Amino acid sequence: QEQLVESGSELKKPGASVKVSCKASGNTLNSYAIEWVRQAPGQGLEWMGWINTNTGNPTYAQGFRGRFVFSLDTSVSTAYLQISSLKAEDTAVYYCARRTTVTTSRDYYYYMDVWGKGTTVTVSS
Amino acid sequence: QSVLTQPPSASGTPGQGVTISCSGSTSNIGSNYVHWYYQLPGSAPKLLIYGNNQWPSGVPDRFSGSKSGTSASLAISGLRSEDEADYYCAVWDDSLSGWVFGGGTKLTVL
Repeated sequence: QEQLVESGSELKKPGASVKVSCKASGNTLNSYAIEWVRQAPGQGLEWMGWINTNTGNPTYAQGFRGRFVFSLDTSVSTAYLQISSLKAEDTAVYYCARRTTVTTSRDYYYYMDVWGKGTTVTVSS
Repeated sequence: QSVLTQPPSASGTPGQGVTISCSGSTSNIGSNYVHWYYQLPGSAPKLLIYGNNQWPSGVPDRFSGSKSGTSASLAISGLRSEDEADYYCAVWDDSLSGWVFGGGTKLTVL
């Protein structure tokens, strides 16, 4: 079954940058869009945006524009999330998830079906 | 403050049933399909219900989803101790052009 394998935990100082990777098993990265979701400690899920794996075009949710960058390396079936100028409030678990499309007789819709295990990013001096 | 409103907690005894609600608006639940996820402590979210009421492979039919107007519900029957988890509803919001999640409901099996 398709899996998304995320990189390991990171400990960074304020002001530094971090790059989280999300590798799709089976080399099927460009068959699905990749979503990014953040979960701060003790908090709920927050959608950060998504990247079109065919065009590489990213879309960022409000609140994630500027310091957050989604990118791809399709040659290794990997999506990336880079966060620059890290702040303490960026401390969270970052999940990548696959977006699957369902076509019904009258419309179509998306949902996130496969999730990575998450990467914990801790920002502390 | 989440766009979708869920009760912060729910509980039941083994064998009982419980329902978790998810309230939204015309731009999200009223227009699009609702999906449900569960999350065990320290683990990633897992898909429980998609497309309002569809089961992914491997999910038992003790879990069922429904939607009416701008609200949705997740019903769990025959509660088991392993059902203790956080449950989230998720739906695409047309006004925000993005996904919105409920704040999550912590289910306790007493």
